[in-house]
Amino acid sequence: DAKTTQPPSMDCAEGRAANLPCNHSTISGNEYVYWYRQIHSQGPQYIIHGLKNNETNEMASLIITEDRKSSTLILPHATLRDTAVYYCIVRLPKLAAGNKLTFGGGTRVLVKP
Amino acid sequence: EPEVTQTPSHQVTQMGQEVILRCVPISNHLYFYWYRQILGQKVEFLVSFYNNEISEKSEIFDDQFSVERPDGSNFTLKIRSTKLEDSAMYFCASSEGRVNTEAFFGQGTRLTVV
Repeated sequence: DAKTTQPPSMDCAEGRAANLPCNHSTISGNEYVYWYRQIHSQGPQYIIHGLKNNETNEMASLIITEDRKSSTLILPHATLRDTAVYYCIVRLPKLAAGNKLTFGGGTRVLVKP
Repeated sequence: EPEVTQTPSHQVTQMGQEVILRCVPISNHLYFYWYRQILGQKVEFLVSFYNNEISEKSEIFDDQFSVERPDGSNFTLKIRSTKLEDSAMYFCASSEGRVNTEAFFGQGTRLTVV
């Protein structure tokens, strides 16, 4: 699976959009970009994933550049409960039996009032 | 909303003792995983399990570790002879049988070896 690079930390203001960047310059054509988050040592929580098109769900939006070498997770209206470590993970679309997640250091996001 | 349940939430054990960490995956899921996170470190994959057998394991998952699905609902991780360095949060996860399906994680068991 391709390696990802994320800033170690960032702050954002409550109510504002949080834009979390991820660099995955060695991504291959059939690798997906996944985002998970971990709130204060709880179990990781799935947020969103995509291949090449932008994706949106009730939690966030995922913007993937045309060359797929980077992506941005957008939390449209950050709340204090969004304070967490956010992980960008790139992986092949294997069957779930081989679908382990390789977590990096992630970005520690602090949402401030 | 269905969730993965882990028990106990915190376990303290003496070095050299055996521990069993328990998980109840989401009922229609077919794939099960254990991860661990040593305090202040990354979440690390330990093992994946499907159709009553291990499908993949990491270097961490050595002979002192074993997994089992003893009945239709539980998924367990056994550590035979605990060491101080086994102290960590242990997360169970499960997923459906589709490609690209997301994994759902439990809240974890904090294992402290003294």
